[in-house]
Amino acid sequence: DAGVIQSPRHEVTEMGQEVTLRCKPISGHNSLFWYRQTMMRGLELLIYFNNNVPIDDSGMPEDRFSAKMPNASFSTLKIQPSEPRDSAVYFCASSPPLAGPGELFFGEGSRLTVL
Amino acid sequence: AQSVTQPDIHITVSEGASLELRCNYSYGATPYLFWYVQSPGQGLQLLLKYFSGDTLVQGIKGFEAEFKRSQSSFNLRKPSVHWSDAAEYFCAVGDSGNTGKLIFGQGTTLQVKP
Repeated sequence: DAGVIQSPRHEVTEMGQEVTLRCKPISGHNSLFWYRQTMMRGLELLIYFNNNVPIDDSGMPEDRFSAKMPNASFSTLKIQPSEPRDSAVYFCASSPPLAGPGELFFGEGSRLTVL
Repeated sequence: AQSVTQPDIHITVSEGASLELRCNYSYGATPYLFWYVQSPGQGLQLLLKYFSGDTLVQGIKGFEAEFKRSQSSFNLRKPSVHWSDAAEYFCAVGDSGNTGKLIFGQGTTLQVKP
């Protein structure tokens, strides 16, 4: 079975450029989460969706970050403009209906480097 | 506020030896507790979880964890470590009112010596 699919796996860009990260959750899962992992701050929840609706975006660092989920099988996380401090690994995770809280299935991550 | 502390940043054990990874949490109510494992270049995988009931929980890959409310701990154990267990391990606490807002510890990197 296909897991959570993220693209790109690696992205190197220059400061000021727009970055779009993509996620395809596991089919049938109705919750989707975007996490960011850095050495300094560890794993942080940025935003999560339930049935394609954003439920909690309190972790989104600032207005430069935005996330969308136009349908049940696709989500994007956009950074515009990007800054060096955005360099991190961004994980998408999904969970099925009736899953216990915190039972997440993670993708392999998108490693972003902003020069 | 909820928080999770993993006191050990890095642990090295010999293959075949027993393992215990420590986790302490801060949470007002009965917590939902998790251990996740991350292999290099991979996403996180759920090892086990505690919601309620029996305080000793079994997970995948031969791991178990024990919830001790009096010590605010949820330590992960394995009786005999295999070289393939080398990875980073994350303890996390979840809000019962939120399906995914996990608070993760900083992680413990496990190295296994042959």
